[in-house]
Amino acid sequence: QKEVEQDPGPLSVPEGAIVSLNCTYSNSAFQYFMWYRQYSRKGPELLMYTYSSGNKEDGRFTAQVDKSSKYISLFIRDSQPSDSATYLCAMSKDDYKLSFGAGTTVTVRA
Amino acid sequence: EADIYQTPRYLVIGTGKKITLECSQTMGHDKMYWYQQDPGMELHLIHYSYGVNSTEKGDLSSESTVSRIRTEHFPLTLESARPSHTSQYLCASRTGYNEQFFGPGTRLTVL
Repeated sequence: QKEVEQDPGPLSVPEGAIVSLNCTYSNSAFQYFMWYRQYSRKGPELLMYTYSSGNKEDGRFTAQVDKSSKYISLFIRDSQPSDSATYLCAMSKDDYKLSFGAGTTVTVRA
Repeated sequence: EADIYQTPRYLVIGTGKKITLECSQTMGHDKMYWYQQDPGMELHLIHYSYGVNSTEKGDLSSESTVSRIRTEHFPLTLESARPSHTSQYLCASRTGYNEQFFGPGTRLTVL
């Protein structure tokens, strides 16, 4: 079983819809949770960074962490075609190593 | 925006060639990483460094080597490239708060 599970999609939504992405994990020691956005043929770009449980909002993006359920989510409100990308979740303990999900491909249709 | 650079961006070479993928960052980060990414797969850590003269192998077995002579520079070398090395290679550096920033990647094709 993988340490981090992420539904690969693909996910296709109309412009303006809410995009909902999630990951589950098995290691209860994870404390740091991140979401990255990766456009085709580019490196991942850090979108959201959360420590421990709770919610974090940044513009149209909201990240949620539920450590009791080992479940994290990313919501994108008022989605735009420019949001079309692959979204990667990542998490770590307090050491050097990030564990990644395989990524969810999102297409926002104009 | 993170200042981390990788060259070349694309490389096509023949089997048996020696190659070096360059990575540099201007943020003064001590911790740097190399990942391998294949389509539809999670990133796999192949090397990391905690600072100058510090290098360690990651989780994914790799025939590559790295060096860290200067804080800002973390090159990856393949002594003899093979078709199985065809992949995207991503370099990253990390802040003290465990945020990792990635470079644009090098897409390597070995014929």
